[in-house]
Amino acid sequence: GAVVSQHPSRVICKSGTSVKIECRSLDFQATTMFWYRQFPKQSLMLMATSNEGSKATYEQGVEKDKFLINHASLTLSTLTVTSAHPEDSSFYICSARVGTGNQPQHFGDGTRLSIL
Amino acid sequence: AQTVTQSQPEMSVQEAETVTLSCTYDTSESDYYLFWYKQPPSRQMILVIRQEAYKQQNATENRFSVNFQKAAKSFSLKISDSQLGDAAMYFCAYRSAMNRDDKIIFGKGTRLHILP
Repeated sequence: GAVVSQHPSRVICKSGTSVKIECRSLDFQATTMFWYRQFPKQSLMLMATSNEGSKATYEQGVEKDKFLINHASLTLSTLTVTSAHPEDSSFYICSARVGTGNQPQHFGDGTRLSIL
Repeated sequence: AQTVTQSQPEMSVQEAETVTLSCTYDTSESDYYLFWYKQPPSRQMILVIRQEAYKQQNATENRFSVNFQKAAKSFSLKISDSQLGDAAMYFCAYRSAMNRDDKIIFGKGTRLHILP
């Protein structure tokens, strides 16, 4: 089956640091990748949609300069949290999809980001 | 805009018994997909079952089945012969099939406890 790898699984860093999270589709080419944020005991909130070779589409309320997304190839999308602060601490999950239509999204295992 | 509502924040069921998780949604579209995702303590999002709105037949996957009532916009999940490994957060989700913006909209989730 389709596998999405997310790295790192856990990050702890100081306030002001920029953190990069990678999302890779291991056995398929993902034309579209999605980035979600999940607060404790809450649902997944879509942050942005990333299409290979083009700019990401951000959801309302998500700062694009704060959360930089790059989708440089069909198997890799990155999310960089710039100048992270404690309020950015959260669980970040990516998903990837092949093509369009009824193809399902495949989720990574998530990254727990803790900013001290 | 589409919305997904899960009215049961938590539920408990005795091991080997059957439990039904409720989900309602709101949309003006005629073609869409509905999903149930499972998120165990490991936080990985696992697709449990998927239903295409144009199909009248309810989807089934082993012990998991849905009751899809399109007119009522209801999409409940039935878990038969509950097992300890079924304990998780369950999210009902919606995705449009009618436009290219195929982001998934998640409900707030239902935490399922399995009692031994």
